[in-house]
Amino acid sequence: QLVLTQSPSASASLGASVKLTCTLSSGHSSYAITWHQQQPEKGPRYLVRLNDDGSHIKGDGIPDRFSGSSSGAERYLTISSLQSEDEADYYCQTWASGIRVFGGGTKLTVL
Amino acid sequence: EVQLVESGGGLVQPGGSLRLSCAASGFTFSTYNMNWVRQAPGKGLEWLSYISSSSATIFYADSVKGRFTISRDNAKNSLYLQMNSLRVEDTAVYYCARESIVGGNFDYWGQGTLVTVSS
Repeated sequence: QLVLTQSPSASASLGASVKLTCTLSSGHSSYAITWHQQQPEKGPRYLVRLNDDGSHIKGDGIPDRFSGSSSGAERYLTISSLQSEDEADYYCQTWASGIRVFGGGTKLTVL
Repeated sequence: EVQLVESGGGLVQPGGSLRLSCAASGFTFSTYNMNWVRQAPGKGLEWLSYISSSSATIFYADSVKGRFTISRDNAKNSLYLQMNSLRVEDTAVYYCARESIVGGNFDYWGQGTLVTVSS
């Protein structure tokens, strides 16, 4: 079964960096994923599509502060130079024939 | 500029029906696969349904299979979600989302429309 696992919460200080993790279920370590950001009271926004080889495609207008990387079944979103507007929920998403899947989301708090 | 604008949400009684619409602009709608996603209050994102660009292929999540029907009208640049036999647990903000041209990942989202199922 295709499942994405995320930590429920993360926190980091203003101006610092944070690395969020999304883990693919067993047998699915080669799958690409996408990271989406959802700021409070807003709809989601596409950040970056991340392949298993680490190659990525960013969404329109996404700052260079947002970057993605991969290692095995783990997919990462690194946000550098944290700003207050980065406080949001972050969801990873993947897909297979017949299904689209979201992780449970990580709530990022900027201290 | 790509825009997706949902409409049709509102208050409905359990067992009732509602039809959501998503108006697309700023891109060639007929060449993109589309999806519906929802978010219950205080919860995460839940994928509901997928429709290919030509409507030839349709998928549903188990939670809505048999109750919800996705469709599209490429001449009107519109996506629809017909929701029947609504339950209290269907209360959520409903989003339409475009899939990227390479497929799989969602690259644009609407702002959502709220559906409340309550007596």
